Amino acid sequence: EAGVTQSPTHLIKTRGQQATLRCSPISGHTSVYWYQQALGLGLQFLLWYDEGEERNRGNFPPRFSGRQFPNYSSELNVNALELEDSALYLCASMWVAYNEQFFGPGTRLTVL
Amino acid sequence: QQQVKQSPQSLIVQKGGISIINCAYENTAFDYFPWYQQFPGKGPALLIAIRPDVSEKKEGRFTISFNKSAKQFSLHIMDSQPGDSATYFCAASTGTDKLIFGTGTRLQVFP
Repeated sequence: EAGVTQSPTHLIKTRGQQATLRCSPISGHTSVYWYQQALGLGLQFLLWYDEGEERNRGNFPPRFSGRQFPNYSSELNVNALELEDSALYLCASMWVAYNEQFFGPGTRLTVL
Repeated sequence: QQQVKQSPQSLIVQKGGISIINCAYENTAFDYFPWYQQFPGKGPALLIAIRPDVSEKKEGRFTISFNKSAKQFSLHIMDSQPGDSATYFCAASTGTDKLIFGTGTRLQVFP
């Protein structure tokens, strides 16, 4: 069974640009979670999508947004990029019956 | 109240020794406590998890001990191996909601 996949692996943008990160969950998983892992700040929750709806949002500004598609894949958009947005962005998927989140390899976003 | 406090920040253990990482929480609504292992450049991998209705769970060399009254839980790695060298994160959640992570422990196992 394939795990959670994320694309791209690396993304380099300049300040003020927009970034789009993508996540494909494990087959059968309907929930997708996004986390930010910045150097020295640990893993911080960004967004949770389930069945196409946003269920919860972390303490991040509105320029962090996303969506979940009918096939349960998800997209994270970061507008007006700032230098401090440089981080590893991790996606996790879960089948609600088991309440276990499985992570993808992440997208390394660098903002210059 | 949403925090999960993890210690130590780093840990050095001899091969064959026992590695112990501790976590503490405040929110009594937490009902799921997983541990993740992360290697450099990789995403966190689910290692083992426990729910508050049991005090201990063992999977191979990895054991979670859970103390509900003290609001603490710990990961024990028996017979630690160099391949166990990684960063370990404890976490907690309520139902299917977000995971709240500890700050991580960098484990180094020397031969």
